[in-house]
Amino acid sequence: GQQLNQSPQSMFIQEGEDVSMNCTSSSIFNTWLWYKQDPGEGPVLLIALYKAGELTSNGRLTAQFGITRKDSFLNISASIPSDVGIYFCAGRGPTGNQFYFGTGTSLTVIP
Amino acid sequence: GAVVSQHPSWVICKSGTSVKIECRSLDFQATTMFWYRQFPKQSLMLMATSNEGSKATYEQGVEKDKFLINHASLTLSTLTVTSAHPEDSSFYICSASAHLTSGSYNEQFFGPGTRLTVL
Repeated sequence: GQQLNQSPQSMFIQEGEDVSMNCTSSSIFNTWLWYKQDPGEGPVLLIALYKAGELTSNGRLTAQFGITRKDSFLNISASIPSDVGIYFCAGRGPTGNQFYFGTGTSLTVIP
Repeated sequence: GAVVSQHPSWVICKSGTSVKIECRSLDFQATTMFWYRQFPKQSLMLMATSNEGSKATYEQGVEKDKFLINHASLTLSTLTVTSAHPEDSSFYICSASAHLTSGSYNEQFFGPGTRLTVL
């Protein structure tokens, strides 16, 4: 299946710093989702984006659906230790109900 | 709402045996369920899409005879790994598709995953 490119692959930041990660694809997607996965657990949905250019916030998280429909970014403001985990983007193509996942960004927050 | 469960959460089996993993949507009906596998420190790879009452659609490279999927009801899908071998050891995660809110699109909600270890 398709895979989306996520960057950076990993991040080590100080508590309180802001974080930015992005996801790109060679294909157009109609929906972009951002998930967080803790070790040994399934991903948990953070933000869903449905329209090109859309900017959506969920608490300290903000995500945008790129105008070209081939990219998205996620920002986390004022990071805290519980933000630690792996963040995945996922995109849904125009032809079906399947979602394809990014390569993941591992976030470590240093207290 | 939108809770998905998986059973078992982990399983260890001998090479050559078959293992069944269940995925249930607890508080909603899911017309579509998805099965993923995830190797350590890697992303989720879609294996198949399962629609209630019809045959699953497998992604390229996934053996349908090895990974049997049954979606018997709107709340239950099962994945059976037949004649499991050590290379099948992985984290298997299911998801179910549901509307978040009125006017939104179908989103995917994930189960907690099943850790399969084949000896």
